[in-house]
Amino acid sequence: GAGVSQSPSNKVTEKGKDVELRCDPISGHTALYWYRQSLGQGLEFLIYFQGNSAPDKSGLPSDRFSAERTGGSVSTLTIQRTQQEDSAVYLCASSLNRVEGAFFGQGTRLTVV
Amino acid sequence: AQSVTQLDSQVPVFEEAPVELRCNYSSSVSVYLFWYVQYPNQGLQLLLKYLSGSTLVKGINGFEAEFNKSQTSFHLRKPSVHISDTAEYFCAVFTTGGGNKLTFGTGTQLKVEL
Repeated sequence: GAGVSQSPSNKVTEKGKDVELRCDPISGHTALYWYRQSLGQGLEFLIYFQGNSAPDKSGLPSDRFSAERTGGSVSTLTIQRTQQEDSAVYLCASSLNRVEGAFFGQGTRLTVV
Repeated sequence: AQSVTQLDSQVPVFEEAPVELRCNYSSSVSVYLFWYVQYPNQGLQLLLKYLSGSTLVKGINGFEAEFNKSQTSFHLRKPSVHISDTAEYFCAVFTTGGGNKLTFGTGTQLKVEL
C-alpha cells in the first residue's frame, strides 16, 4: 500500500485477555518501529526492527509485551494478560533509511476495561 | 545515549502571531533531526528534517527550523500562525552512530487562538 497500515484501528478488550496489533509497513522499508502514546504523554519507544538484525527490544515495558516481524514485512505486537495501564494508542512506523525519517500509521487505540 | 527535550508542553498563541517551539537534543555523535506534527485524532506526519548543509530548513505549511550545533538545539518557528496549526508537535533525533532508534521528545501542544 501507499502508507503504513495498522489494524485494528480500535480495540476494546477485557483485563487479562491477550491482544494482537498488526502493522503493514510501506513496501521496501527495512526499518519498523512500534511506539506507544498515552494520554498526555509523548511517544514511548517500544521496539525496533532493522532488516535481518536482532530487534532492539529495549523499550518493551514488561515481558507481557512481545513483537515479531515476519519475512521482513508485516509486524505483530502482542500484549499478554492486558492491564488497564496498557490502554494507549499504539503507533507503528516504517523507514527506508535514517535520511528519509519514519512514516507513521494511524495507530491502534487500545482500551482495556 | 541520545535524548530529546522539548521545553514547553503547551504553547498558546494568537492567530497571526509568530511562534517558536523549542527542542534540544543530547548526542555525542552527528545527528539527523526531525519535526513531526500530529493534528487532532490523526497520525504523525513529517514537517521537516535536518540532515546536513544549511542550518535553516524549511518545511510544509510555512514552518522552518534552525539547527544550532553549539547549542544542540533545533527550534521550530513560524512567522505567522493560523488556527489550523493547532496540533501537537514532536521533535525527534536519529544518531549516525550507535543505536538506530528514532528518539522523540515529549511533544509540545500548540494552541492557536483567535
